[in-house]
Amino acid sequence: EIVMTQSPATLSVSPGERATLSCRASQSVHSNLAWYQLKPGQAPRLLIYGASTRATGIPDRFSGSGSGTDFTLTINNLQSEDFAVYSCQQYNNWPPWTFGQGTKVEVK
Amino acid sequence: QVLLVESGGGVVQPGGSLTLSCAASGFTFHNYGMHWVRQAPGKGLEWLTFIQNGGNEKFFADSVKGRFTVSRDNSKNILWLQMNGLTAEDTAVYYCARARLYFDFWGQGTPVTVSS
Repeated sequence: EIVMTQSPATLSVSPGERATLSCRASQSVHSNLAWYQLKPGQAPRLLIYGASTRATGIPDRFSGSGSGTDFTLTINNLQSEDFAVYSCQQYNNWPPWTFGQGTKVEVK
Repeated sequence: QVLLVESGGGVVQPGGSLTLSCAASGFTFHNYGMHWVRQAPGKGLEWLTFIQNGGNEKFFADSVKGRFTVSRDNSKNILWLQMNGLTAEDTAVYYCARARLYFDFWGQGTPVTVSS
């Protein structure tokens, strides 16, 4: 089973600034990495797949990078609606499909 | 638009059973595999089970294997998760999600609390 590790657990950022979130896989997942946004009471939202491809309707302030074992989600010009939990997921080796424990982006 | 709506959550006693439903609309349900995923309080997402579009192939996480079953009715666009032998560790919000290689659409979740 591939273990996904996200850092930091919590990131405090001011609106308008940039947030940089990290995700590391215990072994290579190539580019088979997705990022999701989670908000309480809402459906999780796919942001990025293929490590760097934005899903339909995702603003271009969200960008993903990396391959192999190390990945980054960058959110530029943070908006109020971007404060949420972000989770990475590998879909290279399954089952199981595995997620990171999440990074909470909070208002500084 | 793609819509997934879970239902059936609630409070159940330890050792009890519960069946969750996921009603799908806005896409050709029988063309897609489906997943169930949960998020326990203060924890990350945990994948539970996958069912192929035709319903013949299924996978389960070790944590639920032998206790949970997954099924679907493609004529009614419904997905089910039957949960038996529930423990406090199964307390979570349960989501269904449409399968691509990744999970491209999710429902809003239904909460399950296992407590006496």
